[in-house]
Amino acid sequence: AQTVTQSQPEMSVQEAETVTLSCTYDTSENNYYLFWYKQPPSRQMILVIRQEAYKQQNATENRFSVNFQKAAKSFSLKISDSQLGDTAMYFCALNNAGNMLTFGGGTRLMVKP
Amino acid sequence: NAGVTQTPKFQVLKTGQSMTLQCAQDMNHNSMYWYRQDPGMGLRLIYYSASEGTTDKGEVPNGYNVSRLNKREFSLRLESAAPSQTSVYFCASSVGRIAREAFFGQGTRLTVV
Repeated sequence: AQTVTQSQPEMSVQEAETVTLSCTYDTSENNYYLFWYKQPPSRQMILVIRQEAYKQQNATENRFSVNFQKAAKSFSLKISDSQLGDTAMYFCALNNAGNMLTFGGGTRLMVKP
Repeated sequence: NAGVTQTPKFQVLKTGQSMTLQCAQDMNHNSMYWYRQDPGMGLRLIYYSASEGTTDKGEVPNGYNVSRLNKREFSLRLESAAPSQTSVYFCASSVGRIAREAFFGQGTRLTVV
C-alpha cells in the first residue's frame, strides 16, 4: 500500500513572501510520479507541478518549485513571491506504476495582504 | 474544450434513495476514476477503470457501484444512500496506466439527509 502524509493542516504567509509545504510518502515502487494539486474555493483541482521519481533534478514551474528527496521519501512544495490568488487547499499526490493516485490530507494555505 | 464533465453539481438525497453520478471525458483517456473528498481526509479513491470494460475497487468502494459505459463515460451509482456518503465526489481521467497527470471534473456536492 502507498501512503501520503501532509503534516501541516493549515499555513499562512504574507503576500510576496516564500512558504514551503511539506509532504512525505511511502511506496514500495521504484518508478512513480509525485504531484502537487491546488484546490481553490471553486473546488476545481488544478495541477501545480509534477516530478518523476527517476529524475534527480527538482521540478520548477514559475514561482513553484519542489524539493524532492527520494531516499527520505520527502516532496515539499516551495511557493515564492506568494500572491493572494495562491490561497487554496494544496494536495500532495503519488501515482505509482499502477492506477492508484493517492492523495494526502491537504494543507490549507492562506496568503495575507 | 470541455475536459471532464460531471453531472449533477449538487444533489440532496434522502436516506435509502438511489442515484447515479455521471462523468464523461473528451480527451480520449484510457483511465477514469471516482474519488470522494471529505474534510481533512483529502481525496480517497472509490473505484477506477484502467480501460474500457474494466473496473477495480479503490480504497473505499463499499456502498457504491460503477459502470464504464464506453471509453468516454464512467458512472457512479449509490443504490441506497446513507448519511455517511455525504461528501464531494470527483471524477477524473488520465492517459494511461502510469499517469503523468489526472484531469478532474468540477465535483458533485452530495448531501444525504
